[in-house]
Amino acid sequence: QAVVTQEPSLTVSPGGTVTLTCGSSTGAVTSGHYPYWFQQKPGQAPRTLIYDTSNKHSWTPARFSGSLLGGKAALTLSGAQPEDEAEYYCLLSYSGARLVVFGGGTKLTVL
Amino acid sequence: QVQLVQSGAEVKKPGASVKVSCKASGYTFTSYDINWVRQATGQGLEWMGWMNPNSGNTGYAQKFQGRVTMTRNTSISTAYMELSSLRSEDTAVYYCIAVAGTLWFDPWGQGTLVTVSS
Repeated sequence: QAVVTQEPSLTVSPGGTVTLTCGSSTGAVTSGHYPYWFQQKPGQAPRTLIYDTSNKHSWTPARFSGSLLGGKAALTLSGAQPEDEAEYYCLLSYSGARLVVFGGGTKLTVL
Repeated sequence: QVQLVQSGAEVKKPGASVKVSCKASGYTFTSYDINWVRQATGQGLEWMGWMNPNSGNTGYAQKFQGRVTMTRNTSISTAYMELSSLRSEDTAVYYCIAVAGTLWFDPWGQGTLVTVSS
């Protein structure tokens, strides 16, 4: 089974920019992996920020964006806010989206 | 709007089984797959598998094959996840999620805490 890798932790200054990445042990991440990014705050269920690489929901702040970068999926936060401090998980789909693997999560600190 | 309401917390002994329910509303239950994800305290998200409520077809993560069973009762729009041969490492919050193809719907179910302890 594929292993999906994320940075365990990252720190960004308020107003700063940070990029989280999501790699696959099977090779380059493509749009065919339908990359997802979830945000989870303590005591809450995860919530989708980005789906299918770069699509946003109505509740996704404009400062978040998704892309493919250097063979990985990427989540970029531009203009970090204190409320963005959270755990971020990526999800990749395999085998026609019938097999799903989460990354280990990135704990983002805004400091 | 998709709404998923899960059953309450459970405490089980090692070796026992647990069955968590997930009642769907706000959409036609048979239109979307139900996926299950778990999260141990302080740990990451772990995908367990999917179930198609229309056909009853299932697909399980390799780690859980032989130990997990996902079923449904379409008459009451409810999906079930049963995990057997429980061990302490199965202590986690279990979530259900409605999924259409590659689209995961928000919100997820509220989560069900399963505690495995002797």
